[in-house]
Amino acid sequence: GENVEQHPSTLSVQEGDSAVIKCTYSDSASNYFPWYKQELGKRPQLIIDIRSNVGEKKDQRIAVTLNKTAKHFSLHITETQPEDSAVYFCAAKWTAGTSYGKLTFGQGTILTVHP
Amino acid sequence: DGGITQSPKYLFRKEGQNVTLSCEQNLNHDAMYWYRQDPGQGLRLIYYSQIVNDFQKGDIAEGYSVSREKKESFPLTVTSAQKNPTAFYLCASSILWGQGVFGTEAFFGQGTRLTVV
Repeated sequence: GENVEQHPSTLSVQEGDSAVIKCTYSDSASNYFPWYKQELGKRPQLIIDIRSNVGEKKDQRIAVTLNKTAKHFSLHITETQPEDSAVYFCAAKWTAGTSYGKLTFGQGTILTVHP
Repeated sequence: DGGITQSPKYLFRKEGQNVTLSCEQNLNHDAMYWYRQDPGQGLRLIYYSQIVNDFQKGDIAEGYSVSREKKESFPLTVTSAQKNPTAFYLCASSILWGQGVFGTEAFFGQGTRLTVV
């Protein structure tokens, strides 16, 4: 079935270091991969997304890479800052079969950036 | 003021009672979703709908029901059959497909925290 696995579940870094979060998806019938950031007590908000017709996308300190063959995608945050501390979720949207339109999330990564 | 609104923000339910969570959007989005969030388990999909009068079960649909009579509204009923309903519930909506066959951003409501007392 459709599944998104996310690792690690917690990640602790020093300010200025890079952080990498990885996700794998189970079915090749997926072509949209968003990343969300959720701060404590708030709703998840999109920080970056990638579609299956590209391999990499960058927005300032944030980048996402996609490997369709291996069915995995990763979030890269460079020069981390304390305000990057939050829970990050990856997701995949299914575009074929009985799960057409389904948007499935990973389990989340708690990122802590120490000053 | 455009957006997606969930109400109420906090809800208390006695055991054995059904309760309905409201989700309304004025973004003209076709697709709407309900997720349950528990600590350490991420966002788990309960139901989703891509068009009025149609919806599909997600990964944890047991004990829940939905309706989609209007494009703007996608209410979720937590029934007495749901054994552990205490959780944070998030509703989201999106354009069904953007840029051809690719997906597009889902916008979330502020959530409803349901507690069984």
